[in-house]
Formats: sequence, structure tokens, C-alpha cells
Amino acid sequence: DAGVTQSPTHLIKTRGQQVTLRCSPISGHKSVSWYQQVLGQGPQFIFQYYEKEERGRGNFPDRFSARQFPNYSSELNVNALLLGDSALYLCASSFRFATNEKLFFGSGTQLSVL
Amino acid sequence: DQQVKQNSPSLSVQEGRISILNCDYTNSMFDYFLWYKKYPAEGPTFLISISSIKDKNEDGRFTVFLNKSAKHLSLHIVPSQPGDSAVYFCAARAPYNNNDMRFGAGTRLTVKP
Repeated sequence: DAGVTQSPTHLIKTRGQQVTLRCSPISGHKSVSWYQQVLGQGPQFIFQYYEKEERGRGNFPDRFSARQFPNYSSELNVNALLLGDSALYLCASSFRFATNEKLFFGSGTQLSVL
Repeated sequence: DQQVKQNSPSLSVQEGRISILNCDYTNSMFDYFLWYKKYPAEGPTFLISISSIKDKNEDGRFTVFLNKSAKHLSLHIVPSQPGDSAVYFCAARAPYNNNDMRFGAGTRLTVKP
């Protein structure tokens, strides 16, 4: 069975542009979360979706948005890119929406904003 | 606000010895704690977890200890192996949002043969 897959693996954008990152969860998993990892720091929670509904949002500006599709895949959109948005964006999936549920992470999309 | 802290950015141990990775947190509402391991160019992988109602959880060579009064947890790896060399993240989950995990900055463990 395939793990969590993210595309693209690397992306270079310029300030002010918009970007869309994609994530396919493990088959059967209904929850997808997005995290941002800046170099030298731990991952920071952005969004969580479960059964296509937003269930949680971290402390990120409205330039960040996401959605989950009927097949449980997800997209993260970032508008008006800033240099500080350069980071590794991680997608994680889980089967349920529960406290002790393990998260399975993808390898991430490395976004560079020039 | 950094609610989860890993104060040691790196740790080096000899193969076969014990590795102890430490983590401190500030929010007493956290009720579930996890350790993740990350190799270069891969996403974090789940290692071991502990609920706040316990003070110890073991899984093979890995043991996590939780001291709630000190708001401190530690990961013990015994014996350490070269394949354990990776970045280890401590994470805490708040009960009000199941996937809002707060991660520490990570500790890079190097196990020397």
C-alpha cells in the first residue's frame, strides 16, 4: 500500500505568486492535516480536514487555504507568497479524528520563495 | 509561542550505549505526547507515544517517560544503533484539536559505530 504522497516534491516561486500543493492520503484514511516546517524548527500545524470539513486551523494568515476532495485527497493553497513562506510543507493522514490516532506523514513539498 | 521545547539541538552517543532525548512543555492542557523520527528527505515517522495518565511506555528498545509535575518527557533508546541516527521530534497534542500537535525543534541524534 502506498503511503502519503505529496506533489510536487520541490517548487520555486517568486514573491506575490500563488502556489497549490497536493496530497493523497493513505488509502482508507479520511483525515488530512497540513504542517509547515521552517528550517531549524519543528513542524507547525496549519489545517486539518476530516470527511471534507475543516476541523482545525493553526495560527496562519488567510493567505493560506485548503480543501479536501470526495476521494479524501487535499490541496493547500498559498496566495501572495512571501519570502517567509519558504519551508517544507508536510501533509499527514490518519484514519479517524481521535486523540490517540497516529499521523502518517508524506515526504513533503519543499517550497522556495525568491 | 513555543509550548514544546527540545533544548538540545544535537546528541552524539556510541553504538550500544543509551541515548536520552529530552523535551519540556509549558501547556498543562496537553494530554498526549508523541515522538517522531525523521530521516533526511523523508517525512517524520511515528515512534512511540504516551498518554498523560501514564508515566512510562515501552516499545522494544524505545521507552518514553513522562513527568507531569515537571512538564518533562524523555525518550530512552537502549541499546543505540547507527540506524537510529536521525532527527527526533517531541510533539504534544492538545485535547481541543486532535491534529493540532505542537512540535519541538528537534534533536539530531548521531550514533557512532
